[in-house]
Amino acid sequence: KNEVEQSPQNLTAQEGEFITINCSYSVGISALHWLQQHPGGGIVSLFMLSSGKKKHGRLIATINIQEKHSSLHITASHPRDSAVYICANPPNTGNQFYFGTGTSLTVIP
Amino acid sequence: NAGVTQTPKFRVLKTGQSMTLLCAQDMNHEYMYWYRQDPGMGLRLIHYSVGEGTTAKGEVPDGYNVSRLKKQNFLLGLESAAPSQTSVYFCASRPFSPQGNTEAFFGQGTRLTVV
Repeated sequence: KNEVEQSPQNLTAQEGEFITINCSYSVGISALHWLQQHPGGGIVSLFMLSSGKKKHGRLIATINIQEKHSSLHITASHPRDSAVYICANPPNTGNQFYFGTGTSLTVIP
Repeated sequence: NAGVTQTPKFRVLKTGQSMTLLCAQDMNHEYMYWYRQDPGMGLRLIHYSVGEGTTAKGEVPDGYNVSRLKKQNFLLGLESAAPSQTSVYFCASRPFSPQGNTEAFFGQGTRLTVV
């Protein structure tokens, strides 16, 4: 079974801080998925990346396939970034995603 | 483009009652999934489908049944609801790829309480 681990589990930051969330997985994959879930809300896809780096606004995701590690960075954090961030591992074969348990981020004004 | 739509969004059931959750996607995706999300447990796969007319069990299938009679719809049924099925249910879909690495799209969730 593919294990997907995220760190930290909980994170509190002051508005404006640079934030990093990490994701490690145990089985080699060709891509990784970052998701966002606001309190009481649905799940939104942020990034799907298979190499290097992707940027969307203040969010940056990087991946190192050889090291089986990905990071999600948030620059100039804002209270509206407060959410749970989940990394997910689509398998090379088979049909199931494997999800991390999420990182709960709170950004304080 | 509605994406993935779940109905209903909220429901309260009494123990022993039955209900069906509907997931509809308009992206012509082959794969569809039902997950449940519980505090501290993350997303757990209940059942999934790789195409019209096919379904398969996931990690926590007991107490649930599914059907995929049409490609765009994936139904999740609870025949006799139990308090342990109180959860938030998410449907997701994604297109087929031989490499498996396609993006998933999620519905807004269904909050189910069984009393």
